[in-house]
Amino acid sequence: SQTIHQWPATLVQPVGSPLSLECTVEGTSNPNLYWYRQAAGRGLQLLFYSVGIGQISSEVPQNLSASRPQDRQFILSSKKLLLSDSGFYLCAWDRGSSGNTIYFGEGSWLTVV
Amino acid sequence: AQTVTQSQPEMSVQEAETVTLSCTYDTSENNYYLFWYKQPPSRQMILVIRQEAYKQQNATENRFSVNFQKAAKSFSLKISDSQLGDTAMYFCAFMKQLGGGADGLTFGKGTHLIIQP
Repeated sequence: SQTIHQWPATLVQPVGSPLSLECTVEGTSNPNLYWYRQAAGRGLQLLFYSVGIGQISSEVPQNLSASRPQDRQFILSSKKLLLSDSGFYLCAWDRGSSGNTIYFGEGSWLTVV
Repeated sequence: AQTVTQSQPEMSVQEAETVTLSCTYDTSENNYYLFWYKQPPSRQMILVIRQEAYKQQNATENRFSVNFQKAAKSFSLKISDSQLGDTAMYFCAFMKQLGGGADGLTFGKGTHLIIQP
């Protein structure tokens, strides 16, 4: 069966510090991978998606970036965090070109102070 | 672009009652997928049920069922015999095509469902 893992679960970072959230999917190959953000009291916003290694598309301009160094690994990064980056970040995947459902990881709480 | 609207910010029912959550959407697509996700206090997004637009039969998963009205662009979720563990945020979501792709999922703003003992 397929599983998705995301870490760290929570982190508190000062403004201006770097960020790295990591996500891995097991039990499948060539998945589409996604990063979503859920700000307090708001819905989910798609930040990045990837259809393959090194292929990243951004949905919103921001100081965040994403990378996919391996088929089942997706990383969300920032060089300098802003207060507005605080929120709940969710990694997700589907089965690529035949996928009809998107599945989510456990999420990561980021508080920028 | 697709939009998903959930008009009920919060609902509260007694345990064992039946509750229906509303969702409407707007799209020009003919083939698409609709979902209900549950987000409990742990914040993990859990798939509740999926409906393919090309299927006329409403999807059912144990106590959860949907009423899919394609012409009206309506997709409501019915929870029967509600349980305390059903307390959560419920999100209606739309996916335009297989493989998610550029649009991924479009979410509504959610309905906070509270099951009272």
